[in-house]
Amino acid sequence: DIQMTQSPSTLSASVGDRVTITCRASQMISVWLAWYQQKPGKAPQLLISKASILEDGVPSRFSGSGSGTEFTLTVRGLQPDDVATYYCQHYDSRSPPTFGGGTKVDVK
Amino acid sequence: EVDLVESGGGLALPGGSLRLSCAASGFTFGSFAMGWVRQSPGKGLEWVSVITHSGGGIYYADFAKGRFTISRDNSANTLFLHMYNLRAEDTATYYCAKVPGKFCAGGACVYDFWGQGTLVTVSS
Repeated sequence: DIQMTQSPSTLSASVGDRVTITCRASQMISVWLAWYQQKPGKAPQLLISKASILEDGVPSRFSGSGSGTEFTLTVRGLQPDDVATYYCQHYDSRSPPTFGGGTKVDVK
Repeated sequence: EVDLVESGGGLALPGGSLRLSCAASGFTFGSFAMGWVRQSPGKGLEWVSVITHSGGGIYYADFAKGRFTISRDNSANTLFLHMYNLRAEDTATYYCAKVPGKFCAGGACVYDFWGQGTLVTVSS
């Protein structure tokens, strides 16, 4: 199976900061990578698919990039509403889908 | 508006069984693949199973093979997950989730809408 490794596992930043989360795949997955946001006590919400395609209704301060084995989720101008755990997930057809371990984002 | 409402969770004995349901509304249920993803308390997300729009294609995570059965009733807009021979490690919140298409290559899907989940606790 393809393993997904996220870093950091936690981060704390100030309102307005630029935040970057990294996700690495153990094998090449092209752009078959999604990012989800899970707020405390809530279900996950899809933010980005195909590595960089922003879902409808997702604020433009979120962006995704990368291909192959290394991917990033960037939040430009962190807001208090962005407090959540963020997960990457691969959906390459050669292997069952797997999620990264998550990155918990707090606001200082 | 897409809405997914899970039910059927609760306390089960080790070796026991449960049937989870997911009632869907706000979209043409029979036109989309659907899946289940679980989350153990305080832990990350783990894919469980996915079924194509027609039910003709089904995929399971290794831990679910032989113990879990996914199915759907398109006439009732409902997704099911039958779980048998439950283990303590199956304790989790189980989420029903919609796929933005009829099927996914190899069963590897992205999930664009999620229900609020139903908690399954396996304990004696």
